[in-house]
Amino acid sequence: SQQGEEDPQALSIQEGENATMNCSYKTSINNLQWYRQNSGRGLVHLILIRSNEREKHSGRLRVTLDTSKKSSSLLITASRAADTASYFCATDRTGANNLFFGTGTRLTVIP
Amino acid sequence: GAVVSQHPSWVICKSGTSVKIECRSLDFQATTMFWYRQFPKQSLMLMATSNEGSKATYEQGVEKDKFLINHASLTLSTLTVTSAHPEDSSFYICSAQTLAGDLKGNIQYFGAGTRLSVL
Repeated sequence: SQQGEEDPQALSIQEGENATMNCSYKTSINNLQWYRQNSGRGLVHLILIRSNEREKHSGRLRVTLDTSKKSSSLLITASRAADTASYFCATDRTGANNLFFGTGTRLTVIP
Repeated sequence: GAVVSQHPSWVICKSGTSVKIECRSLDFQATTMFWYRQFPKQSLMLMATSNEGSKATYEQGVEKDKFLINHASLTLSTLTVTSAHPEDSSFYICSAQTLAGDLKGNIQYFGAGTRLSVL
């Protein structure tokens, strides 16, 4: 059920720095979503960007979508130690009821 | 809003026994629930899609007789791992979609997961 690839696989930054994660996918989508997963827990929905949108903001999160390149990026500004988690992109593919999750980026923010 | 409760959070069982995991949407009705399996440091692997009142749709390679799914109501889906073996040890996560899922873009709300250890 995986459709997307994310890079980097792992990212380690200092608190206060910005973190950028990228996601690529392969088919037409209705929207793309980003989720966060703390270790050993379920996923939490962060933000959704529709296929006709190019950029979206939510607090310290900024998401971009380039449907011509089939790619998206998630930027977390002014990172905090509490942002340490795994981040997954998920695509809502045209004609499908389920989401297709990427491979994930493990972010570590060092205090 | 949109809280999903998954129980138990951790279970240890002997090989050959069956384990039931419950997934409940607490404050919304979920026509569709999903069951995932996740290996350490890997992404989620969709096992099956569960629709209320109908048979679950299993992904290729997932044994339906091994992983029994029941979606008896709009707020409850269960996954039973039958005759569990050590290779079934994993992290199982459920998610639910609201009735307004189409309008909201198929956002899924996840349970906290169940860690199954089969001895």
